Parts: sequence; structure tokens; C-alpha cells
Amino acid sequence: ETGVTQSPTHLIKTRGQQVTLRCSSQSGHNTVSWYQQALGQGPQFIFQYYREEENGRGNFPPRFSGLQFPNYSSELNVNALELDDSALYLCASNMGLAANTEAFFGQGTRLTVV
Amino acid sequence: AQSVTQLDSQVPVFEEAPVELRCNYSSSVSVYLFWYVQYPNQGLQLLLKYLSGSTLVESINGFEAEFNKSQTSFHLRKPSVHISDTAEYFCAVSEVDSSYKLIFGSGTRLLVRP
Repeated sequence: ETGVTQSPTHLIKTRGQQVTLRCSSQSGHNTVSWYQQALGQGPQFIFQYYREEENGRGNFPPRFSGLQFPNYSSELNVNALELDDSALYLCASNMGLAANTEAFFGQGTRLTVV
Repeated sequence: AQSVTQLDSQVPVFEEAPVELRCNYSSSVSVYLFWYVQYPNQGLQLLLKYLSGSTLVESINGFEAEFNKSQTSFHLRKPSVHISDTAEYFCAVSEVDSSYKLIFGSGTRLLVRP
């Protein structure tokens, strides 16, 4: 079975631009969650998608948006980039919504906003 | 709301010495508890988890953690560390009766010296 893959691995954007990050979930997983990990911090929950619908959102502004596709892959879009958006963005997939299921993380996308 | 506190940002230790990484949590509801490990330039890997039953849980590579409900703690221990254990360790919780969402601590960097 394939693991969680994210693309691109690194990205540099200018303040004010828009960015799209991509995540392919592990085979058989229908839930994808996105996390932001700033330097020296723990990951912070952005939002979660289950069967193509948003199912929970953390304390992030509306310029952070997402999509989940019929094959359960997902995108994270960030508009009007700010310097503080520089972080490692992690995608995690799991089967279903139960809190005791194991999430599998991708290696992340390192976004630098200059 | 839940929160996770990892008081030690960095723990230096000599190879083959024992180590304890501390984790305390705050929650008004029942939670599941997790430890994740992050090696340099990689995503998160689940190390071990407490869901129910025995309060002592073990990983395949010698780590163990004990859930202490009265002290709201879930400290991670290893009796003898190796150089390869050098990594960032994150404690996390998820709410039992809610959909899967992880709340992470700020992480502890374990630095194993020869």
C-alpha cells in the first residue's frame, strides 16, 4: 500500500500570492486533515475533510481553504500569503472519523513566504 | 478545549542513559493520548498511543508511556537511548467522543550524545 504523499516538498512564494498544496491519502483512507507546523512549534490543526466535505476547522482565517476529491486526495489553498504563513504544512490521512484511529502523516510541504 | 504542555523544549542525554520526556494535558472530556516522533526533514510517525485498558503502553523500539489520569500526564520513557533516537517528540490528544483531530504540544527535542 502507498503512504501519504505531499507535493511539492518545498515552495517559495511572495507575500500576497496564492499557493496550492497537494496531498494523496493512503490507500483506503477517506479522511484527510491538514496541519500547520511553524518553526519550533507543534502542528496546529487547520481543517479536516471527510468524503469530500469539510468536517471541522481550526482557528485559521477563511483565506485558508481546501478541497477533497472523489479519490480522497486533497488540496490546501492559501490566498493573500503573509510572512507568518511560512511553515511546514502536514497532511494526515486516516480511515473514518473515530478519534481512536491512527493517522498517517506525509513528509510535509515547506512553504517560505518572502 | 484541550491543551497539551511539554515543559522541556530540549533534553540532552548521553547514549545508553535513561530518559523521560514529560507531557501534561488539560481537558474537560475524556481523551486519547499519543506520542509522535519527527526525524529531521520528515513528517510525523506514531510512536505509541493510549486508548483504553492498561495505563502502560509500549512501542516496538523500547519506548513506553504511562497514562496517569489523576496527574493528567502521559510521560514518555526509555531505559537506554541510542544515537538514532535523536529527534523531535510530540505529545498529542484527541477527544474521545469527537471526530479525529489532534491537539499537539510544542514538542521536545531529544538530543542523544555519544
